[in-house]
Amino acid sequence: GQQLNQSPQSMFIQEGEDVSMNCTSSSIFNTWLWYKQDPGEGPVLLIALYKAGELTSNGRLTAQFGITRKDSFLNISASIPSDVGIYFCAGLSNTGGFKTIFGAGTRLFVKA
Amino acid sequence: DTGVSQDPRHKITKRGQNVTFRCDPISEHNRLYWYRQTLGQGPEFLTYFQNEAQLEKSRLLSDRFSAERPKGSFSTLEIQRTEQGDSAMYLCASSPPLAGGYNEQFFGPGTRLTVL
Repeated sequence: GQQLNQSPQSMFIQEGEDVSMNCTSSSIFNTWLWYKQDPGEGPVLLIALYKAGELTSNGRLTAQFGITRKDSFLNISASIPSDVGIYFCAGLSNTGGFKTIFGAGTRLFVKA
Repeated sequence: DTGVSQDPRHKITKRGQNVTFRCDPISEHNRLYWYRQTLGQGPEFLTYFQNEAQLEKSRLLSDRFSAERPKGSFSTLEIQRTEQGDSAMYLCASSPPLAGGYNEQFFGPGTRLTVL
């Protein structure tokens, strides 16, 4: 079945550092979604990507839809303590269905 | 600001009991998803509705699970004869109409189920 490999699993960084995480798959997706989840809450949408090669920013966050449509990355610049949380990528292929596949998450820890 | 709401937020039940969860999507969102999330994992897709039609079901959705969206607005997820392995966070998400070309899914806060 479809799977997303999200890496790294966790990151420990210093406040002010930049962060990069990515997702790869053997399947092609039409949409990539990036979420942040805090403990006990639902995921919050950060960025949505719809076209291969698309680069989209949301404040200090930048995400790209890979050219092959099989990967995506998320960058966070100048991290701050409130960036702590779990970041998930999700791939959606709306050809023949709307099943959405999530990665296992990247746990980000930011030291002030 | 009316986002996706879920009720209840927490449910503790004994093994073998039935439970039902409710999801109210963002108004004008005709697409609705249910997911299950266990500790340390990403959400796992369970089922998808477009209006009142259930268009996709995961193999994770055993015959003890049933989801409905009778009027194309709120949805319910019922688990019959609960088992300890059903303990998880159940998440609901909604999306705007497909014709808009956007697939953003907006999640509710989830219902945390604990089966004793």
